[in-house]
Amino acid sequence: AQKVTQAQTEISVVEKEDVTLDCVYETRDTTYYLFWYKQPPSGELVFLIRRNSFDEQNEISGRYSWNFQKSTSSFNFTITASQVVDSAVYFCALSEARGASKIIFGSGTRLSIRP
Amino acid sequence: EAGVVQSPRYKIIEKKQPVAFWCNPISGHNTLYWYLQNLGQGPELLIRYENEEAVDDSQLPKDRFSAERLKGVDSTLKIQPAELGDSAVYLCASSGNRGDGYTFGSGTRLTVV
Repeated sequence: AQKVTQAQTEISVVEKEDVTLDCVYETRDTTYYLFWYKQPPSGELVFLIRRNSFDEQNEISGRYSWNFQKSTSSFNFTITASQVVDSAVYFCALSEARGASKIIFGSGTRLSIRP
Repeated sequence: EAGVVQSPRYKIIEKKQPVAFWCNPISGHNTLYWYLQNLGQGPELLIRYENEEAVDDSQLPKDRFSAERLKGVDSTLKIQPAELGDSAVYLCASSGNRGDGYTFGSGTRLTVV
């Protein structure tokens, strides 16, 4: 069975601090996708990244970076120099890598950035 | 390009009443998904369509929930009768056949009173 665990329910940091959101997943599939989504107070799910299980290279996009470690089944997300606009709920998710399939979401981490 | 369009954005109904949600996927996306998001939780799949065929409805409570995608384009999700516990956000998503372009709509927030 597939499962995504986000142990951090809520995180609060002061603006400009770096923050890391943890994600641990379980799957029996040898190939799969990992995702991060952002859900601001307005409610829409904003796609941030999709990573194929074959690609373990870390990725950086501006202030965002992702650390994928297959050995520990983790896909952590770091925001550098956080800003108030980063305040949102962040979801880590997992899907099969075969065709169109459902996405299994974690329970989310609520991130609050204080000015 | 227009994204996944859902309506209504918000809906308040009394328990035992019927309610319907509508979703128009991105043009050309053959796969359409309905997800349920309870407060404080991540979305969970209710049903997935490949064109007009429901290929995964194992999580859909069929005693009160139904869905259709008659022409393989837009879709309707219905609840009849609604219960207090159905209060949640109902999200629609669409993608290509290979899962490419997976996009979520803004959701419908249902409140049952």
